[in-house]
Amino acid sequence: DGGITQSPKYLFRKEGQNVTLSCEQNLNHDAMYWYRQDPGQGLRLIYYSQIVNDFQKGDIAEGYSVSREKKESFPLTVTSAQKNPTAFYLCASSKPRRAETYGYTFGSGTRLTVV
Amino acid sequence: DAKTTQPPSMDCAEGRAANLPCNHSTISGNEYVYWYRQIHSQGPQYIIHGLKNNETNEMASLIITEDRKSSTLILPHATLRDTAVYYCIVRVAETGTASKLTFGTGTRLQVTL
Repeated sequence: DGGITQSPKYLFRKEGQNVTLSCEQNLNHDAMYWYRQDPGQGLRLIYYSQIVNDFQKGDIAEGYSVSREKKESFPLTVTSAQKNPTAFYLCASSKPRRAETYGYTFGSGTRLTVV
Repeated sequence: DAKTTQPPSMDCAEGRAANLPCNHSTISGNEYVYWYRQIHSQGPQYIIHGLKNNETNEMASLIITEDRKSSTLILPHATLRDTAVYYCIVRVAETGTASKLTFGTGTRLQVTL
């Protein structure tokens, strides 16, 4: 079955360390997104990418970096510059020309805890 | 994108219809209404969307008022598995480009026995 895979589901890191969250999709979607969710809050957009080798900052990009070397993959690095990295991270994808019909597909998320 | 307003929480008895309201009084003519839901600690799931006509699919119905300033998501026979946070989102459906969804805090629906 096609879908989005995020790994790992739970991740623990020491303060000051960079950490990379994986997001892979086999839906042949062009666009991919990273969101952050804090307890009791909505989702906030970190970065998004429309095509390979292109990505744009979202609303809260500071302290994060991404790459889009392959259509299927959109990894997110949480750097030591991110002041409050503990959160639930969600990856999503969409096929822009069909987005209004099929919506957006989300992964199951990675819960990052920095100690 | 137009801002939406949803009640923070609602209860519904299992087997009854759940009607979730959303106000979007500043919606523009080319903006769609989307609904997603998020079950605890999972990624959001697309439910339905519409522009001005009422829409129905296997999951739910979407009723949009004639002036498009509000809408209601209807789960016709709610089950315990429908307990989730429901997000109403209004945005332009842009074809050919990545589209950014803005999620508010949604409505937490609790379905009870």
